[in-house]
Amino acid sequence: NAGVTQTPKFRILKIGQSMTLQCAQDMNHNYMYWYRQDPGMGLKLIYYSVGAGITDKGEVPNGYNVSRSTTEDFPLRLELAAPSQTSVYFCASSNQGQGKAFFGQGTRLTVV
Amino acid sequence: EDQVTQSPEALRLQEGESSSLNCSYTVSGLRGLFWYRQDPGKGPEFLFTLYSAGEEKEKERLKATLTKKESFLHITAPKPEDSATYLCAVRPGGGATNKLIFGTGTLLAVQP
Repeated sequence: NAGVTQTPKFRILKIGQSMTLQCAQDMNHNYMYWYRQDPGMGLKLIYYSVGAGITDKGEVPNGYNVSRSTTEDFPLRLELAAPSQTSVYFCASSNQGQGKAFFGQGTRLTVV
Repeated sequence: EDQVTQSPEALRLQEGESSSLNCSYTVSGLRGLFWYRQDPGKGPEFLFTLYSAGEEKEKERLKATLTKKESFLHITAPKPEDSATYLCAVRPGGGATNKLIFGTGTLLAVQP
């Protein structure tokens, strides 16, 4: 049982480049989330989805986009990368009605 | 505004020296308070969910308690393997998103 799988684990981007962070879960969870974690800051919600085809913005959505075409996958797209997007990104999932979220291992992104 | 504050930011204990971590919160309608453990380079790992004042949960050397304004994570006779960052999060009332608001965490170091 893999849980929540994120790829890649590490990535270095140049300013202005684009990339997609992949996230997949095999627990048949309805809800999926993307968070970013910066040193000394709590996890901040970027985008979330309550089911396939339904997404919405969290606290810090600017510079990101998401899609949810299947229950399992929830990719996060960075367009025109900026140094402010240097962070560790975590994908998570949970069952409807439960707050308990399961997290992936994270993607450490550096924009130079 | 929904807010979570954790204290202390960092705590160093000797093996066997019991202590408590604090999580104070301001939230509009609490639908759950969550404790997570995060090891370096890993995603948060779920520990406990508490739903109502007076509730307590235990797991090995950890015990979580909840009042109307705060939660405590009590660590009894800690071991070096308990060293990690402990995160507190709340699930505000309203909506069906299961969004979590995280504190900045307490970094616990247990020395042999």
